[in-house]
Amino acid sequence: AQSVTQLDSHVSVSEGTPVLLRCNYSSSYSPSLFWYVQHPNKGLQLLLKYTSAATLVKGINGFEAEFKKSETSFHLTKPSAHMSDAAEYFCVVSTWELTGGGNKLTFGTGTQLKVEL
Amino acid sequence: DGGITQSPKYLFRKEGQNVTLSCEQNLNHDAMYWYRQDPGQGLRLIYYSQIVNDFQKGDIAEGYSVSREKKESFPLTVTSAQKNPTAFYLCASSINGRGGKTDTQYFGPGTRLTVL
Repeated sequence: AQSVTQLDSHVSVSEGTPVLLRCNYSSSYSPSLFWYVQHPNKGLQLLLKYTSAATLVKGINGFEAEFKKSETSFHLTKPSAHMSDAAEYFCVVSTWELTGGGNKLTFGTGTQLKVEL
Repeated sequence: DGGITQSPKYLFRKEGQNVTLSCEQNLNHDAMYWYRQDPGQGLRLIYYSQIVNDFQKGDIAEGYSVSREKKESFPLTVTSAQKNPTAFYLCASSINGRGGKTDTQYFGPGTRLTVL
C-alpha cells in the first residue's frame, strides 16, 4: 500500500521569495510521483512528474521537484513566487495496483499556498 | 481544442433524488476516472474504466453508479443511497489505463454538487 504526507497544510510566502512545499511518500513498490495544482473551483493541472529517470524534475511555471529515495521525499520548489502561484498543491503517488492492471493514484491532503505582496 | 468537459459546473439536488454528472473527453484516451474531493482531503477514487463497456469500483463506490458505452463519455450517477453526496466531483482520463504507473491522468474542471 502507498501513502502520501504533505507536511504543511498552509504555506505563506512573499512575492519574489522562494517556495518550498514538502511531500513524503510511502510505497511498497518503486513509485511514480506527481505534483498537481488546483485553483479555486477548478480541476487539477499537472505541474510535473517523476518516472524514475532524472531525480530532478522540471515542470511548468518554473516549478521543480527532487526525488530523494533515501528520504522518501519529493519536495516542490520554485525560486521566486508570483501572485498567480496562489493555489492548492497536491502531491500524488502512482503505483500499479488497480484491478485489471491500472495505476492507482494516492493523493496527499493538499498544501494551500498563499502569496503576499 | 482537446480536453475534458464536465457539466454542469454547479448542481443542486434534493434529498432522495438521483442525479447524473456528465464527463466527456476528446483526447482519445482509453481510461477514465471519477474522483470525489471533500474540504481538507485529497481526492478519492469512486469508479474507473480502462476500456469501453468495462468499469471497476474504486475506494468509495457505494451509492454511485457509472456506465461506459462510448470511449469519450463516462457519466456518474449519484444515487439516493449515497449518504453524504455534497462534494466536488472530478473526472479524469489517461491514454491507457494499463499503461503503467507513469500513465498521467488529466482532469476536467469539476462539478460541485450540493444536496439541499
